Amino acid sequence: DSGVTQTPKHLITATGQRVTLRCSPRSGDLSVYWYQQSLDQGLQFLIQYYNGEERAKGNILERFSAQQFPDLHSELNLSSLELGDSALYFCASSVDVGTTNTGELFFGEGSRLTVL
Amino acid sequence: DAKTTQPNSMESNEEEPVHLPCNHSTISGTDYIHWYRQLPSQGPEYVIHGLTSNVNNRMASLAIAEDRKSSTLILHRATLRDAAVYYCILRVGGGNKLTFGTGTQLKVEL
Repeated sequence: DSGVTQTPKHLITATGQRVTLRCSPRSGDLSVYWYQQSLDQGLQFLIQYYNGEERAKGNILERFSAQQFPDLHSELNLSSLELGDSALYFCASSVDVGTTNTGELFFGEGSRLTVL
Repeated sequence: DAKTTQPNSMESNEEEPVHLPCNHSTISGTDYIHWYRQLPSQGPEYVIHGLTSNVNNRMASLAIAEDRKSSTLILHRATLRDAAVYYCILRVGGGNKLTFGTGTQLKVEL
């Protein structure tokens, strides 16, 4: 158990819909990361938040958005869903972004999104 | 982001050592070498990391070439539970964003 909690574990929805994925980081971790894993693209970094602020952005579509709340949990919002958005979405957390830490990321078990 | 190159797959027998290679010829002086693994139906899991010197922990050993252009993850005694995709990743110094490649699928047989 990594200590990172993601909900829901599975989600089935239709094209054009909107969903929200939730992530609770490990206790004490200030950084949250979102990754997308699909069969043809592998693990793709989407976005990182640190203590409520966006820190780094990857291959995140404009239809997707994320935020980190004062209690440090994070939500990934996916809208106008397309078939190609079907994937596993992982959340990870780490202590901070400084050079003094190991840089170890702790991953949740993922949320599997199926768009029909 | 600096790129790593790994074999697509490797096979090993149980209780034998496994050496997983990784090439990273464009590594810069501040890039850390990280290894993660992903077991079936799970999120990636940290294995080990290093900068210049060889590293050992309870899971594995990391051997880093003197010129840092390659590294090898060593599992001393592979078990069936070690069957996973192993990712070699370069972490740019000062940041925690990890860029995953395609990794090496390790198969462990009895």
